[in-house]
Amino acid sequence: LAKTTQPISMDSYEGQEVNITCSHNNIATNDYITWYQQFPSQGPRFIIQGYKTKVTNEVASLFIPADRKSSTLSLPRVSLSDTAVYYCLVGPSGNTGKLIFGQGTTLQVKP
Amino acid sequence: GAVVSQHPSRVICKSGTSVKIECRSLDFQATTMFWYRQFPKQSLMLMATSNEGSKATYEQGVEKDKFLINHASLTLSTLTVTSAHPEDSSFYICSAGRSVGDTEAFFGQGTRLTVV
Repeated sequence: LAKTTQPISMDSYEGQEVNITCSHNNIATNDYITWYQQFPSQGPRFIIQGYKTKVTNEVASLFIPADRKSSTLSLPRVSLSDTAVYYCLVGPSGNTGKLIFGQGTTLQVKP
Repeated sequence: GAVVSQHPSRVICKSGTSVKIECRSLDFQATTMFWYRQFPKQSLMLMATSNEGSKATYEQGVEKDKFLINHASLTLSTLTVTSAHPEDSSFYICSAGRSVGDTEAFFGQGTRLTVV
């Protein structure tokens, strides 16, 4: 499975848009990019998945350039409750097990 | 949405005793479940794959005799930490996929194990 690299931490303020970038230089042709969110003392929760270009749901947007060697998770107008660790994972679609988690990005949203 | 539930959410046990953690898929059947361990300030590490009706598959470095996994039904997998020691204190999380080809994994709420 392709390795991912993310910033260890990010700070933001309420109401701002937050963009978290993930590098995955060795992504395979059949790999998808998936993001999970984890609050302290809870299991991770699926946020979004994409293969190329842009994907948007009610929570976030995922931007993937043509070379797919990186991706950006965009959280619009964050609130204090968005403070969490965000993980970028790369792997085949439908792989809902044996997930390899990288270090993740700790997002701290300040008032 | 699909729900995976773990029990207990936290447990304290004495060194040398065994602790059982349950992972249930509440509204779907899961032939395969996964167990992860997470130490403070660290990421999740896959421990093993739990297979309904057959032996679990352990990741390299995980002692199968210490972390006993039983997947006796399509909705329940259990992880037993045997002869627990303080270094086994961690956050244990299970997950399952709802169906083949599904895009998201569903995680339990986790179990905080403290061995004293």
